[in-house]
Amino acid sequence: SQQGEEDPQALSIQEGENATMNCSYKTSINNLQWYRQNSGRGLVHLILIRSNEREKHSGRLRVTLDTSKKSSSLLITASRAADTASYFCATSPGAGSYQLTFGKGTKLSVIP
Amino acid sequence: DTAVSQTPKYLVTQMGNDKSIKCEQNLGHDTMYWYKQDSKKFLKIMFSYNNKELIINETVPNRFSPKSPDKAHLNLHINSLELGDSAVYFCASSPWGAGANVLTFGAGSRLTVL
Repeated sequence: SQQGEEDPQALSIQEGENATMNCSYKTSINNLQWYRQNSGRGLVHLILIRSNEREKHSGRLRVTLDTSKKSSSLLITASRAADTASYFCATSPGAGSYQLTFGKGTKLSVIP
Repeated sequence: DTAVSQTPKYLVTQMGNDKSIKCEQNLGHDTMYWYKQDSKKFLKIMFSYNNKELIINETVPNRFSPKSPDKAHLNLHINSLELGDSAVYFCASSPWGAGANVLTFGAGSRLTVL
């Protein structure tokens, strides 16, 4: 069954603005990951946050995790045209399982 | 060097045919996967192998048969292709272990069944 659900489905912003995407999930997790997919390409791993972490940064990316609400957000600051892509969250269940379940993605368009 | 490579990139075929997609990774990972991405971009796991052993087999028609000759290769064979099989198929790999399941994806193989 589908685990992660991203929101919004599509987002269009001007270059330089911040972009925020949200992900909600249903069951307990070991970690949550965000991936980017450029048009016609494979997914690329961006960042991983573990269930005992609340916030993580990587360059212009900031990820938060609220396990009580079963939700995560991905913030991209000072967006660039090159950030145009689809962004997916993926959840990994508790210890002993290695299966990643992906959400449906948010399509981000950054207008130059 | 491409970390996860899959061939062919595009595949157009008629209903009822049999086709294969090959995948190879040079990352030294123990675990490999096949995912299917439909036209709405929904990505769903199909199979996973760890060190040549099948560990995940989701509800997939038995027309789909994965084969892992060694831990660096995971091929996907599809028999009696149907229109609904049209999708992009992604191969991925990861290190072994529940805490280290960061996936590296191939570029995808777009299958079109006519």
